[in-house]
Amino acid sequence: AQSVTQPDIHITVSEGASLELRCNYSYGATPYLFWYVQSPGQGLQLLLKYFSGDTLVQGIKGFEAEFKRSQSSFNLRKPSVHWSDAAEYFCAVGALSGGYNKLIFGAGTRLAVHP
Amino acid sequence: DGGITQSPKYLFRKEGQNVTLSCEQNLNHDAMYWYRQDPGQGLRLIYYSQIVNDFQKGDIAEGYSVSREKKESFPLTVTSAQKNPTAFYLCASSSRRRGGEGTQYFGPGTRLTVL
Repeated sequence: AQSVTQPDIHITVSEGASLELRCNYSYGATPYLFWYVQSPGQGLQLLLKYFSGDTLVQGIKGFEAEFKRSQSSFNLRKPSVHWSDAAEYFCAVGALSGGYNKLIFGAGTRLAVHP
Repeated sequence: DGGITQSPKYLFRKEGQNVTLSCEQNLNHDAMYWYRQDPGQGLRLIYYSQIVNDFQKGDIAEGYSVSREKKESFPLTVTSAQKNPTAFYLCASSSRRRGGEGTQYFGPGTRLTVL
């Protein structure tokens, strides 16, 4: 069955520190992978997506993610975190199911940033 | 500006009442989706529609109903049969292109509280 695991429920980093949020997926074919960010009480904003090609994907707000097929991972990284990055981050895998573009979400990682 | 709008932002319902959540998009997307979000559980799919006058049940459709009379609109009704309707509801839309090209974009959400 298709699934997405985000092992870290909460992460706290200091402003200016580097960040890595983990995502592991289970999917039989080549996955389409996404990272979304959600500020409190808001909708989800697309950070970046991977379809094919270069396994290192650049996104908005200085984020990047690397697809590693051998590890079934799609970890999100940022070299220097800003206080405004505090939010909840969701990893998702896209798959065709019944002819439509299904998204399967992880449970999310809540990021707190210390000044 | 193209995007997805949801209204109202906050909605309060008495037990036994039906309520309807609005979702409108001007992205010219064929497909639209409704998700429910509960703390610690990520997003779960309620209903989706790939084309006008057609819609399908998602993973948690019981107690909900939808209609798709116009391409731009996909309202969700939370009926009195929904046992625990208090949650954050998110609407999304995408093209019908296959796989990852059908990226889903989200509205700002509606928070429903049952009194």
